[in-house]
Amino acid sequence: AQSVTQLDSQVPVFEEAPVELRCNYSSSVSVYLFWYVQYPNQGLQLLLKYLSGSTLVKGINGFEAEFNKSQTSFHLRKPSVHISDTAEYFCAVGSIQGAQKLVFGQGTRLTINP
Amino acid sequence: DTEVTQTPKHLVMGMTNKKSLKCEQHMGHRAMYWYKQKAKKPPELMFVYSYEKLSINESVPSRFSPECPNSSLLNLHLHALQPEDSALYLCASSQPRTGVTGGYTFGSGTRLTVV
Repeated sequence: AQSVTQLDSQVPVFEEAPVELRCNYSSSVSVYLFWYVQYPNQGLQLLLKYLSGSTLVKGINGFEAEFNKSQTSFHLRKPSVHISDTAEYFCAVGSIQGAQKLVFGQGTRLTINP
Repeated sequence: DTEVTQTPKHLVMGMTNKKSLKCEQHMGHRAMYWYKQKAKKPPELMFVYSYEKLSINESVPSRFSPECPNSSLLNLHLHALQPEDSALYLCASSQPRTGVTGGYTFGSGTRLTVV
């Protein structure tokens, strides 16, 4: 079974500052890793994903994430945030074996202050 | 068309009512999913349909009844719900073999309130 831990439930930052949202995962098999964003009253939108290959993954809206197998982490970063980045961010893990399901972390609420 | 459309966007129902949630996609995806999301919580998987057949039921109570009449449509029939079933219900779709790798496409959800 897989599990995901998002280490921060809330992250407040000032506009144009850098941000890192932390995600650790646990799995006994190889996994795929994802970051989703959820704006208020919306569904989830895929930001980026790691399947294999380069450990630095670039996504939409200027976000990137780095897969670290030894630390079982997949932290999300953005060098300069905007007010429009205010949202809930979910890290998720999927297994290459077995059922086609994603397991989500508890979410991190990113709040951008002017 | 790269969207998953869910209707209605909001639904208020009594505990004795019967209602249905509808989800539609025209991306040619052959896997469709229902997720339930409580406030300030992550989405939780309820059901997975693959090639119009139910492949995963995450021990969901029988008052929730899914239906996949064709490859583009997914319904969730609701009956005798409880107030604690109030939540955002999200539909998603993907290709069956690449769903986990490709990521899902989510709809905007139906906000359900049970009174």
